[in-house]
Amino acid sequence: QSALTQPASVSGSPGQSITISCTGTSSDVGTYNLVSWYQQHPGKAPKLMIYEVSKRPSGVSNRFSGSKSGNTASLTISGLQAEDEADYYCCSYAGSSTFGLFGGGTKLTVL
Amino acid sequence: EVQLVESGGGLVQPGRSLRLSCAASGFTFDDYAMHWVRQAPGKGLEWVSGISWNSGRRGYADSVKGRFTISRDNAKNSLYMEMNSLRAEDTALYYCAKDIRSDSNAFDMWGQGTMVTVSS
Repeated sequence: QSALTQPASVSGSPGQSITISCTGTSSDVGTYNLVSWYQQHPGKAPKLMIYEVSKRPSGVSNRFSGSKSGNTASLTISGLQAEDEADYYCCSYAGSSTFGLFGGGTKLTVL
Repeated sequence: EVQLVESGGGLVQPGRSLRLSCAASGFTFDDYAMHWVRQAPGKGLEWVSGISWNSGRRGYADSVKGRFTISRDNAKNSLYMEMNSLRAEDTALYYCAKDIRSDSNAFDMWGQGTMVTVSS
């Protein structure tokens, strides 16, 4: 299993919207609606932002949204804020023997 | 308070073994699948292994298959990872993570991690 593909970095100005893509294959993202997204600030444990493609856990801002088309999932952050600057990782279910497959991570810079 | 506390990490020589533990509290442990996720220094996240609520399903990353074994003891609210034949590339911070549901494969609670360093 190869890691999911994410852009290494994205950037945006406060108030703008950005989208981070996560490309897999028909064996993972394309087949299962079990894509999740995580935010990680330096030195901290990851935080779940989106699960099952588009669901938000309790307490996560509605500025964060998820979607999927074919083998590619996307995380959109609207109304960018300084505290959104972090690393973001996608993860997909990949079958009964390999439950999870992460992307390589995307560093979001808020300009 | 929902809490996951990992232990058992340390410095170990290549080829040796180590057992990680994760103590859970603040939620009904046997309602949820549990996972181990690792992060090598300065690198991204890597899912390592997962186990269903009743231990009926277990999964492993290709990189650890045949060397690592995940297990749980619901009576003790604890998750374990037996790591054998350790390699330098297993050096990482190992997180214990709780599934948001019984089978969603999304990790809504994380411990603080335990560091494993494989070096001679």
